[in-house]
Amino acid sequence: EAGVTQSPTHLIKTRGQQATLRCSPISGHTSVYWYQQALGLGLQFLLWYDEGEERNRGNFPPRFSGRQFPNYSSELNVNALELEDSALYLCASSPVDRWAPNNEQFFGPGTRLTVL
Amino acid sequence: AQSVSQHNHHVILSEAASLELGCNYSYGGTVNLFWYVQYPGQHLQLLLKYFSGDPLVKGIKGFEAEFIKSKFSFNLRKPSVQWSDTAEYFCAALFNAGGTSYGKLTFGQGTILTVHP
Repeated sequence: EAGVTQSPTHLIKTRGQQATLRCSPISGHTSVYWYQQALGLGLQFLLWYDEGEERNRGNFPPRFSGRQFPNYSSELNVNALELEDSALYLCASSPVDRWAPNNEQFFGPGTRLTVL
Repeated sequence: AQSVSQHNHHVILSEAASLELGCNYSYGGTVNLFWYVQYPGQHLQLLLKYFSGDPLVKGIKGFEAEFIKSKFSFNLRKPSVQWSDTAEYFCAALFNAGGTSYGKLTFGQGTILTVHP
């Protein structure tokens, strides 16, 4: 079974630009989650998408946004990039049960975003 | 606010030594608990999980963890570590607090384990 895949592996942008990161969940998983792993800040929850809808959002500014497509893949967009956005962005997926929404999450390898 | 804390930032052991990594959470309700491992250059992998039932859970690679509700703890243990266990270990929780808690894995700060051969 293929795991969660993310692209690109590395992304280099300059301050003020926009970054787009992509994620494909495990087959059969309908939920996609995004996390930021920044140096010194640990792993922080960004966004949760399920069935095309944003279900939950972490404590990040609105310039962090995303969407989920009908095939359950997802995109994370970061607008107006700042130097402190440099981090590893992890995507995870899970098979959400409406009556038990807190299922385990399976992680992808991440996209390393560097903002110069 | 709900949180997860790991006591040790860096643990150094020799092969065959026993391991215990501490993890505590702050929340009075029900919680789903996880230990993830990140080997050098690899992605986060699930070691074990606790949802309900037997508080002693066994995971992959000989790891186990014990959920002690009265202590809000979920410590990870392994009786005899190997060099290949060198990695960063993360304790994480899904708090069943309704609404905006759903889907939001809260991670501890991580513990780097170095095992010397």
